[in-house]
Formats: sequence, C-alpha cells, structure tokens
Amino acid sequence: EDQVTQSPEALRLQEGESSSLNCSYTVSGLRGLFWYRQDPGKGPEFLFTLYSAGEEKEKERLKATLTKKESFLHITAPKPEDSATYLCAVRPISSGSARQLTFGSGTQLTVLP
Amino acid sequence: NAGVTQTPKFQVLKTGQSMTLQCAQDMNHEYMSWYRQDPGMGLRLIHYSVGAGITDQGEVPNGYNVSRSTTEDFPLRLLSAAPSQTSVYFCASSFSGGRETQYFGPGTRLLVL
Repeated sequence: EDQVTQSPEALRLQEGESSSLNCSYTVSGLRGLFWYRQDPGKGPEFLFTLYSAGEEKEKERLKATLTKKESFLHITAPKPEDSATYLCAVRPISSGSARQLTFGSGTQLTVLP
Repeated sequence: NAGVTQTPKFQVLKTGQSMTLQCAQDMNHEYMSWYRQDPGMGLRLIHYSVGAGITDQGEVPNGYNVSRSTTEDFPLRLLSAAPSQTSVYFCASSFSGGRETQYFGPGTRLLVL
C-alpha cells in the first residue's frame, strides 16, 4: 500500500533559524513527488515537483530534494510569512488515469519573529 | 487566469439534504478531480475526470456524484448529505500527459448537521 509520512507534525522556528521537513514515502513506483504549501482556510498551493532521486528544486528560501525513500524541504533563514502547513504528496505509477495523489498529513510550520 | 474556482466557500446542510459544489477552471485542463480533507487523514480522492463526458471513481466515492459536460466545469453532487460528509472539499485540475502538476482551488467547507 502506498504511504506517505511527514515529520515532524509541527515545527516552531525563530526567524532566521534554518531547518528541514521530512517526507518519507513507500510506493511501488514513483511517478512524481509534490510539495504544496497550505495556509489556513486556503487550498494547497503548488511549490515543487520532483521526479527522480538526486533531483533538487529551489524557490526563494525553500529547497526540495529527493532520494529513493524520502524527500526533504529545506527552509533557509525562514521569515514569519513562511508559516503554513507544508504538504507532501506522491503520485504512484500505479495510479494510472486516476492520477491519484497520496498525501501525507502535513507539517505545520510556525516561524516566530 | 482565475485558475481553479469553487463555490460556495461555506455551506451548512441538514442530514438528508442535497447540494452541488461547483468547480470551474480556465486553464483548459483536461483532468479535474475532487478531494476531501479531514483532520489527520490527508486529502483523499473522491472522483475524477480525464475529459468532458468521462468520469470515474476515486478512493472514497460513496455518497457523491459527478458529471463533466464541459472542459471548464466539474460539479460534485451530494445526493443525501450525512454528518460523515462534513469536511473541506477541494477541486484540482491539470493538463493530461506524463508529468502533470495538479492545481487546487480554494475549497468549500461543508458542515452537515
């Protein structure tokens, strides 16, 4: 069964304090791994797609990396506006035309000024 | 582009009532889908469509109907609302093809009493 586990569930950082969020996954075959940001009361906002081990993507203070079993979202010198829930999702090759994304439960990040 | 839009933002229903959640996209995406988000469970796929006139079931389809008469619109119908359908509902869309990214709407928060 496809599974996505995110850790930690919640993370509190001081402004400027860099850290990483983890997404561990188990799938029969990976078609893509997705990172989304979700603000309270809003829909998930797309951040990155990673397709193969060793791939990295960057956007402002965020950098996503991928290995064969997990992905990391590194946050460098975060600011209070980076506070949100970060969701990781995988699309297994077996999802076929359904393109079903299997989501983790998310990491709630709070950045304190 | 407005992207993916959903209406209403919030709805209260009584058990047994029916309603339609609206979803529209202006990106000419072939693929559209409905997810529900419940605390601690991540997002789960309800129904999806790979094009006008083509729909299929996802992971949790019971109690919901969909149709796709145009590329732009993908409404979700609750036939007889139950308290277990209290959730936040998100519509998503993407292009067809191999490595498509799904973009989400702002969500509809539904409370069934």
